[in-house]
Amino acid sequence: AQTVTQSQPEMSVQEAETVTLSCTYDTSENNYYLFWYKQPPSRQMILVIRQEAYKQQNATENRFSVNFQKAAKSFSLKISDSQLGDTAMYFCAFMKQFTQGGSEKLVFGKGTKLTVNP
Amino acid sequence: NAGVTQTPKFQVLKTGQSMTLQCAQDMNHEYMSWYRQDPGMGLRLIHYSVGAGITDQGEVPNGYNVSRSTTEDFPLRLLSAAPSQTSVYFCASRTGQGPLLYNSPLHFGNGTRLTVT
Repeated sequence: AQTVTQSQPEMSVQEAETVTLSCTYDTSENNYYLFWYKQPPSRQMILVIRQEAYKQQNATENRFSVNFQKAAKSFSLKISDSQLGDTAMYFCAFMKQFTQGGSEKLVFGKGTKLTVNP
Repeated sequence: NAGVTQTPKFQVLKTGQSMTLQCAQDMNHEYMSWYRQDPGMGLRLIHYSVGAGITDQGEVPNGYNVSRSTTEDFPLRLLSAAPSQTSVYFCASRTGQGPLLYNSPLHFGNGTRLTVT
């Protein structure tokens, strides 16, 4: 079974600075997908960024980027120029590649609570 | 464009009562799922469905039933509520199957906060 570990329960950063959230996972799969979701106080889950394991290039979305190390099974999220609106819980998630007749599900880490201070 | 709609937003039950959490999506998504979120536990998959008439168990299915009679709706039933089912419940959906699945983001509802006393 796949597992996802987020070792930082809470982090804080000053506005405009850069912060990195860590995520490691355990799987025997070779093809899979990784995601970062953001959950602000409004409770809604919002997709931040996703990475396909077969791609060596790290995904980027504006101020958000990942450092994907497949051999180390590591998938960290870097937030540049942090903004007050980035304050939220951040969840790392894993999904194995769909196969005919196989199951489809996201496995989530326990989350990291990020606070951006003015 | 409503997306994924969950009702109710809040619910209090007594132990042993039954209820159904409703989830509807208007995006014609094939895949729908239910998660529960508990402090320090992240999100855990309860049940999921890859299309009308097809459901399967997730990580924590005990105490919950689901059905998928239409593409739009995926209700979650608690037959006999227990305090251990106090949680925030999220319904989610996405489109695509097979190799296209990864390319489709998971759309979440706004959650239902359930308290069982």
